[in-house]
Amino acid sequence: QSVLTQPPSVSAAPGQKVTISCSGNNSNIGDNYVSWYQQFPGIAPKLLIYDNNKRPSGIPDRFSGSKSGTSATLGITGLQTGDEADYYCGTWDSSLSAVVFGGGTKLTVL
Amino acid sequence: QVQLVESGGGVVQPGRSLRLSCAASGFIFLTYDMHWVRQAPGKGLEWVAGISYDGSNEYYADSVKGRFTISRDNSRHTLYLQMNSLRAEDTAVYHCAKGWVVTATARFDYWGHGTLVTVSS
Repeated sequence: QSVLTQPPSVSAAPGQKVTISCSGNNSNIGDNYVSWYQQFPGIAPKLLIYDNNKRPSGIPDRFSGSKSGTSATLGITGLQTGDEADYYCGTWDSSLSAVVFGGGTKLTVL
Repeated sequence: QVQLVESGGGVVQPGRSLRLSCAASGFIFLTYDMHWVRQAPGKGLEWVAGISYDGSNEYYADSVKGRFTISRDNSRHTLYLQMNSLRAEDTAVYHCAKGWVVTATARFDYWGHGTLVTVSS
């Protein structure tokens, strides 16, 4: 059971927009920045979003992040088949003094 | 360019020990916190441990606390994970990840490819 809650799967058609939610509490998301990762099978995760809504160099602006209270959201617009991957949210938990991740969401581009 | 290369994985019996290493290059190693994150076969990401830039602070997941020890040698640009009393549920690919100048963050901008640890009799 992960500390952060994500939907197991989401799907949308190419060109459409999808959002992935990440729910936590006041000790983690409510108190710290959220990061998002993209992972393809057999490959190390890649940082997509940090500090709730910032994109590292090289990440297209189709990817966006937001946070409100104890929840965060990853948005992906202009979906491409190459976006099919697992997506994870993560943050620091001030009560646990630990990094916590969501269980991951598998994105299917139909 | 930043590179993180893990080594030390393998097959080990339950109750035995293993030490993982992560050789870092391409950035000022002693400036950043470093972490270990694992992924069991077919499962999600699980943060294991983190260490501050100077090694003065260590943080652990409850699942490994008291059994694993994270350390670093800034002169060798190397991160370590000493794993004792290994259990079957520790079987996973172990990634080292570059953290940030602040500890309280899950901002890991570079990851190694990982090293597989299999705990089995």
